Amino acid sequence: QVQLQQWGAGLLKPSETLSLTCAVYGGSFSEYYWNWIRQPPGKGLEWIGEINHSGSTNYNPSLKSRVTMSVDTSKKQFSLKLTSVTAADTAVYYCARVSYSSDWVYYYMDVWGKGTTVTVSS
Amino acid sequence: SELTQDPAVSVALGRTVRITCQGDSLRRYYASWHQQKPGQAPVLVIYGQNNRPSGIPDRFSGSTSGNTASLTITGAQAEDEADYYCVSRDSSGNHVVFGGGTKLTVL
Repeated sequence: QVQLQQWGAGLLKPSETLSLTCAVYGGSFSEYYWNWIRQPPGKGLEWIGEINHSGSTNYNPSLKSRVTMSVDTSKKQFSLKLTSVTAADTAVYYCARVSYSSDWVYYYMDVWGKGTTVTVSS
Repeated sequence: SELTQDPAVSVALGRTVRITCQGDSLRRYYASWHQQKPGQAPVLVIYGQNNRPSGIPDRFSGSTSGNTASLTITGAQAEDEADYYCVSRDSSGNHVVFGGGTKLTVL
């Protein structure tokens, strides 16, 4: 059974860089896309971006200037960095595995991490 | 958001409820549906044309017509009370977009 275990700093000051990592246990790493998603307190889910095993990325246009995702295939891990954080970046951050078809017609997050609460406060 | 959901829907215990998701991208890309209970990570309940992951009860079903995807719960149970989110590629195909979510109350 595939599991995603995520970790990273939970308390940041404004202007710092958020850094999270998600490790994949079980299953293939190369056959999927890997996503980061966040959820501000009391609000809905927001897609941050996606990455595959070769490092190909797509980012949410609203966050693109501050987001970098990377992969370490040897460790089956992928990471998120978000620079210049503000209080608006306070959220639960989730990593997720994505199954997909080559034309994107089928695209779904079938395994989720438990989430990491990140608070930005001075 | 490019995917529009009703903020809240209610259903009587044991009755059928439909939760909808509208967006132009759904004419090309299938939506998937995720259930989220308070304090928990989302869980995939429907993907593709009408597919359920292992362990999801068969009272959950999905369909798409034109620009609208629907999640139907036939015989809603108390444990189905949750937030439901649809998600798919956006109209450009280059990004992913979530609907705003629907809070389902089972009366």
